[in-house]
Amino acid sequence: QVQLQESGPGLVKPSGTLSLTCAVSGGSISSNNWWSWVRQPPGKGLEWIGEIYHSGSTNYNPSLKSRVTISVDKSKNELSLKLGSVTAADTALYYCARGTRQTSIIFRYYYMDVWGKGTTVTVS
Amino acid sequence: SSELTQDPAVSVALGQTVRITCQGDSLRSYYASWYQQKPGQAPVLVIYGPNNRPSGIPDRFSGSSSGNTASLTITGAQAEDEADYYCNSRDSNDNHVVFGGGTKLTVL
Repeated sequence: QVQLQESGPGLVKPSGTLSLTCAVSGGSISSNNWWSWVRQPPGKGLEWIGEIYHSGSTNYNPSLKSRVTISVDKSKNELSLKLGSVTAADTALYYCARGTRQTSIIFRYYYMDVWGKGTTVTVS
Repeated sequence: SSELTQDPAVSVALGQTVRITCQGDSLRSYYASWYQQKPGQAPVLVIYGPNNRPSGIPDRFSGSSSGNTASLTITGAQAEDEADYYCNSRDSNDNHVVFGGGTKLTVL
């Protein structure tokens, strides 16, 4: 089955850029899915950062949009996250997740059915 | 509005039934999905769509929806169900993903 593995530096300096990669195995990043980054500050809830489709189409959380770039590398079957101008408030556990959108005349639904284990990033 | 609202904490006696709710305007357009997160673990999808359970999720978990409110019901709660639960959907314009603030479930 599809598995996701996040990787990247665990420590980033304030005002620097956070860069993470999510490797997709057991499936193709070119499948009919949206690939998201989600973060969770210590002791807090889940926050959606943004998503990308294999075509390169992206959607970002409005609160982070000015600092975020999500990209996909189909040759490596991976997606990447860059978050600029980081502060201590960006310290969090960062997850990548596979999203599925299903729509019909009657209903719409969306879910994230595959998650990576997450990687901790500390800004200090 | 693109916000989803959940009660911060709910408790249930072992073996009893508990309902966790999620409110938001986007739920008039989208069914909610629900995730269980235990300490130190990634979220796990437990309910999606009208009332669909991924493989491996016990049938004591069920979902329902009415108007702007979605509910996750656990019928016969077990000790292992103690966790944080998050609802999730897309916003009404379909441009963004939103999460509820999470509900901490305690099984007494």
